[in-house]
Amino acid sequence: GNSVTQMEGPVTLSEEAFLTINCTYTATGYPSLFWYVQYPGEGLQLLLKATKADDKGSNKGFEATYRKETTSFHLEKGSVQVSDSAVYFCALSMNSGYSTLTFGKGTMLLVSP
Amino acid sequence: GAGVSQSPSNKVTEKGKDVELRCDPISGHTALYWYRQSLGQGLEFLIYFQGNSAPDKSGLPSDRFSAERTGGSVSTLTIQRTQQEDSAVYLCASSSGGTGAREQYFGPGTRLTVT
Repeated sequence: GNSVTQMEGPVTLSEEAFLTINCTYTATGYPSLFWYVQYPGEGLQLLLKATKADDKGSNKGFEATYRKETTSFHLEKGSVQVSDSAVYFCALSMNSGYSTLTFGKGTMLLVSP
Repeated sequence: GAGVSQSPSNKVTEKGKDVELRCDPISGHTALYWYRQSLGQGLEFLIYFQGNSAPDKSGLPSDRFSAERTGGSVSTLTIQRTQQEDSAVYLCASSSGGTGAREQYFGPGTRLTVT
């Protein structure tokens, strides 16, 4: 079956530090890949997505590149802010048929001033 | 426009009681999903409705869980004879219909606590 593996958290950084959250996936077929974010007390929001190999998703300074050869979709940001503190979920959904989201377990990011 | 809404936002119930959780999807979205978010388990898929097709119930953890979607819009997730391990945040999402990977829009969730 399909699965998503994320690095365990929490990830603790100082403001303006560089962020990487690793995500790898296993899928039978060709998925689309997503990063969702959950801010404290709020619901899940789509942060960015990529639908095919070598695509780069980007939003709010965050980026992730769909790497088919390494089955990865690592999330990066060059300079984090305190307001980026949240839980980040990597997820996949298949591009054919009717498909739900398969999530990783989530990675908590804590950014201190 | 209005997003996905869920009610109640919090529910505390005694073990053994039945509970109903409601989801109002985004108007016009034909696909509706239920997920469960619990400590240590992450986000688990429960059930998926797509238009008038038979729902995909493959994620329901036991026969105590059921869901229906009336008129292709509002959905209710019912948990019978609740157990403490049912305590979690139940999330609903909707998307435009059709095949392939589509962006899902999530509601704020219902936090269920079984005492």
